[in-house]
Amino acid sequence: DIQMTQSPSSLSASVGDRVTITCRASQGIRNYLAWFQQKPGKAPKSLIYAASSLQSGVPSKFSGSGSGTDFTLTISSLQPEDFATYYCQQYKSYPITFGQGTRLEIK
Amino acid sequence: QVQLQESGPGLVKPSQTLSLTCTVSGGSISGGTNYWSWIRQPAGEGLEWIGRIYTSGSTNYNPSLKSRVTISMDTSKNQFSLKLSSVTAADTAVYYCARGVYYDSSYYFDYWGQGTLVTVSS
Repeated sequence: DIQMTQSPSSLSASVGDRVTITCRASQGIRNYLAWFQQKPGKAPKSLIYAASSLQSGVPSKFSGSGSGTDFTLTISSLQPEDFATYYCQQYKSYPITFGQGTRLEIK
Repeated sequence: QVQLQESGPGLVKPSQTLSLTCTVSGGSISGGTNYWSWIRQPAGEGLEWIGRIYTSGSTNYNPSLKSRVTISMDTSKNQFSLKLSSVTAADTAVYYCARGVYYDSSYYFDYWGQGTLVTVSS
């Protein structure tokens, strides 16, 4: 199985900040990488697919980059509704695997 | 817009079979180049992919659960289902259904159901 490792596991930031979350795959996955946002008690919401393509309806403050084994999710100008847990997921090979999540908290 | 809704018992006894159904609206489960998947999340933990069924009916399962999982679809009802046998407390989780959509030689999740909590307890 491909292991997905996110860092940091948790992150404190202030409204208006720009933050970056990193995801590393245990082997190359080209750009078959997605990012999700999950709020407490809610289903994950798709943000980005193909490492850098924005899901329809997702604001451009979210951006993704990377290829191979190293990927980043950047959120600019944080707003209160952005504080949530973020997951990366690889879909290069079976079984599909997720990162352990990064909890973004208000400072 | 595609919507998915999970349904099924919220409480299952140990050693029994967990059965859930995902009803899809706003699109046909047998149309397009998609697959339909189940994912679960124990309380306070991360996401675990369970398996998927393609519109052709072929399936893939997570090797960690393969011996206990069956995913099937009922195109007449626009539903797909999950059966997980011989459950234990470790199978207690929120279960999500999701759609995988084809893009660039692979599939990514775009729509998810709201999730349903299944507790395994006597």
